[in-house]
Amino acid sequence: EAQVTQNPRYLITVTGKKLTVTCSQNMNHEYMSWYRQDPGLGLRQIYYSMNVEVTDKGDVPEGYKVSRKEKRNFPLILESPSPNQTSLYFCASSSRDRETSPLHFGNGTRLTVT
Amino acid sequence: GQNIDQPTEMTATEGAIVQINCTYQTSGFNGLFWYQQHAGEAPTFLSYNVLDGLEEKGRFSSFLSRSKGYSYLLLKELQMKDSASYLCAVMDSNYQLIWGAGTKLIIKP
Repeated sequence: EAQVTQNPRYLITVTGKKLTVTCSQNMNHEYMSWYRQDPGLGLRQIYYSMNVEVTDKGDVPEGYKVSRKEKRNFPLILESPSPNQTSLYFCASSSRDRETSPLHFGNGTRLTVT
Repeated sequence: GQNIDQPTEMTATEGAIVQINCTYQTSGFNGLFWYQQHAGEAPTFLSYNVLDGLEEKGRFSSFLSRSKGYSYLLLKELQMKDSASYLCAVMDSNYQLIWGAGTKLIIKP
């Protein structure tokens, strides 16, 4: 089954404790992206990647890191989480023709930082 | 700046028709997407418009007017399972998606 898999689904952590949210897709998609979603706000892009070893900042990259060492994986790293990073996070991917191809989203990771 | 406007919330009755509007001001235009998102779940793709006019897909239709910076999503024969948020997103000249905040649709029996 074609899918984007994120782990974990839920995560509660404390300020300053490094964490990684994993994202993997099995559709051979070139493009991958991370979003956060907060009440009353639209999806806001954190980082995106056009292909292996190519990553770019989105609208809200501060406090986050990503890597794209393999085509299928695009982990999101929070080196020192803070409470304002409490949010619902989505990983998404699409094919190279992304101007016409829709995004496929993972099931989301609900992160709480205390 | 770039901006997508959608109503925050709408209410409709089961079996009826509802139209969700989206207006946009973006740096260029390379297509408009509609996604459905049930509470706590991932957004799922509904429709894509790049040319003016109406695209019909079963009970759902999407309309685009590029000259007016306007789109709508039309849902017919509403079902309770259509209760969800509907997200409008525009791809700008840099092929980046600009997202609206979403419209929460409440269906009443």
